[in-house]
Amino acid sequence: RKEVEQDPGPFNVPEGATVAFNCTYSNSASQSFFWYRQDCRKEPKLLMSVYSSGNEDGRFTAQLNRASQYISLLIRDSKLSDSATYLCVVDSSMYSGGGADGLTFGKGTHLIIQP
Amino acid sequence: GAVVSQHPSRVICKSGTSVKIECRSLDFQATTMFWYRQFPKQSLMLMATSNEGSKATYEQGVEKDKFLINHASLTLSTLTVTSAHPEDSSFYICSARDGDRGYSPLHFGNGTRLTVT
Repeated sequence: RKEVEQDPGPFNVPEGATVAFNCTYSNSASQSFFWYRQDCRKEPKLLMSVYSSGNEDGRFTAQLNRASQYISLLIRDSKLSDSATYLCVVDSSMYSGGGADGLTFGKGTHLIIQP
Repeated sequence: GAVVSQHPSRVICKSGTSVKIECRSLDFQATTMFWYRQFPKQSLMLMATSNEGSKATYEQGVEKDKFLINHASLTLSTLTVTSAHPEDSSFYICSARDGDRGYSPLHFGNGTRLTVT
């Protein structure tokens, strides 16, 4: 299985600051990319899909760089409630490299927003 | 609202007993559901793919006789941990896609935290 790598952190960021983290993937044939948020002892929840042209949802911006094989997540004006683990998920379901579900999960980046 | 419902959310059982976990897709039909396990501070690990009307497919290293999967309808898959042992204590999560594979994200159930004493 191809890998997805993330900096595990933790990232300690003051409230109101901007924070960004990347996720690199090794399977160049990967087709779809997602950021999930996972709170402690909870299931992952979809934060946003990542489109080739980049996309924004409120304070969150996701970017995809196929040439360098990474995706990024930018959080502006961070809130205390943004504290969570952010999982990078790469979907290679149309090609080999992913699991039966076609997905490869990063181990997550732990973000702590401090008051 | 949740599109995938999982039950129970928490279970404590004694070593040697069996535990059944249910995963239901709400408002959509899922011919395929996925079961994961997550140990503390680890990523989700796919255990098996549940296929409606046919046998589940298991990932390498996952014992099919220990983790019984039944996908009897298009909205329900069950995972039964048989003869549970303390090392089976983990967070079990199911998921399903609502849409075409590869273009639709997975929706996860709320997870089941299993503790085997």
